[in-house]
Amino acid sequence: DVKVTQSSRYLVKRTGEKVFLECVQDMDHENMFWYRQDPGLGLRLIYFSYDVKMKEKGDIPEGYSVSREKKERFSLILESASTNQTSMYLCASSPTGPYPGNTIYFGEGSWLTVV
Amino acid sequence: DAKTTQPPSMDCAEGRAANLPCNHSTISGNEYVYWYRQIHSQGPQYIIHGLKNNETNEMASLIITEDRKSSTLILPHATLRDTAVYYCIVSGATNKLIFGTGTLLAVQP
Repeated sequence: DVKVTQSSRYLVKRTGEKVFLECVQDMDHENMFWYRQDPGLGLRLIYFSYDVKMKEKGDIPEGYSVSREKKERFSLILESASTNQTSMYLCASSPTGPYPGNTIYFGEGSWLTVV
Repeated sequence: DAKTTQPPSMDCAEGRAANLPCNHSTISGNEYVYWYRQIHSQGPQYIIHGLKNNETNEMASLIITEDRKSSTLILPHATLRDTAVYYCIVSGATNKLIFGTGTLLAVQP
């Protein structure tokens, strides 16, 4: 089975802290994604990556950056956490691409609270 | 990527078929229809996807209309564990999934 693992399930950070959310997939997928999910807003795409060292902005990239130094690992970075970044963050990966018909697999999510 | 429209909520009796509709009237020729579901506090789970033919797997069936402007996800024998938010998504060449707010399916005992 495909496994997408997010390093932390629950985090509490202070305003202004630098926060790293790590994601690892074990199926040699080229594509990796970071979403955030908020009540009433559904899932929103922050960044995605089609290959090592490649990244593209999603719909809400402001306040975030990403790093993909190895194929299996995709990190989301909050340079200076703010309270409006309190949310659930979901990592996902998919095989090959970018072309349609490939299934995207999600991790279990990381609940971040910024105080 | 095309936008989708789903009802915000539906009920279904346990053991009966659940039919979840989705409209995607602006879908283009190379875009697939995907269905995912999300059980509370978990990551979305892939269910099924299709281009123009009907599809079936161990979880569900996907019926796509001939003009491809709408589709229906069918859970043939709903159980309480199928209570979740179901997302219908249309995605093309970028393989980027844009989620809407989905349909909350409540399976009643």
